[in-house]
Amino acid sequence: GQQLNQSPQSMFIQEGEDVSMNCTSSSIFNTWLWYKQEPGEGPVLLIALYKAGELTSNGRLTAQFGITRKDSFLNISASIPSDVGIYFCAGQLGGSQGNLIFGKGTKLSVKP
Amino acid sequence: NAGVTQTPKFRILKIGQSMTLQCTQDMNHNYMYWYRQDPGMGLKLIYYSVGAGITDKGEVPNGYNVSRSTTEDFPLRLELAAPSQTSVYFCASSYTLGEQYFGPGTRLTVT
Repeated sequence: GQQLNQSPQSMFIQEGEDVSMNCTSSSIFNTWLWYKQEPGEGPVLLIALYKAGELTSNGRLTAQFGITRKDSFLNISASIPSDVGIYFCAGQLGGSQGNLIFGKGTKLSVKP
Repeated sequence: NAGVTQTPKFRILKIGQSMTLQCTQDMNHNYMYWYRQDPGMGLKLIYYSVGAGITDKGEVPNGYNVSRSTTEDFPLRLELAAPSQTSVYFCASSYTLGEQYFGPGTRLTVT
């Protein structure tokens, strides 16, 4: 099946640092979504991107839809302890019935 | 709005038993989805529905069945539970293509 390569797999950072993670694929996507999942909970939508080149912010989070439509990036600025969790990218192929393909996640740990 | 609700939260099954995982959404969304999440992995699509009366297979449908008799409900049925079905199951819904909203999950163990 289709695959998304998400990196890094995990990150250990100091509070206040900025964080970057990305997803790449060999396929072209119409939509990119970024989710955060905390232990024992379902994924929570952070940012949705619908156009190539689109740059969207949600508080300290900024995500971009890559120009080639094969990648997306998520940045978190000035990280805080509550940013801890697993961040997933998800892409939606054109012509699909809304089906999302998920990356394997980036586990973020923040040291106070 | 409660959003997407799932029951039960936890369940332990013996091999060969059957059960239904319940999913309800109160957002009047047309699209509903079932995913499974295994440790260290992303979510994989089991089944989806684009509206009441319409269902289709996702990436990993074997061993599962679904029905969609109403807009609100999308139950997932396991007929003969197997250890390979030990996982966390998430239901999601969306109004149209794009943003999907997830329930809290059902953690299932088959022994």
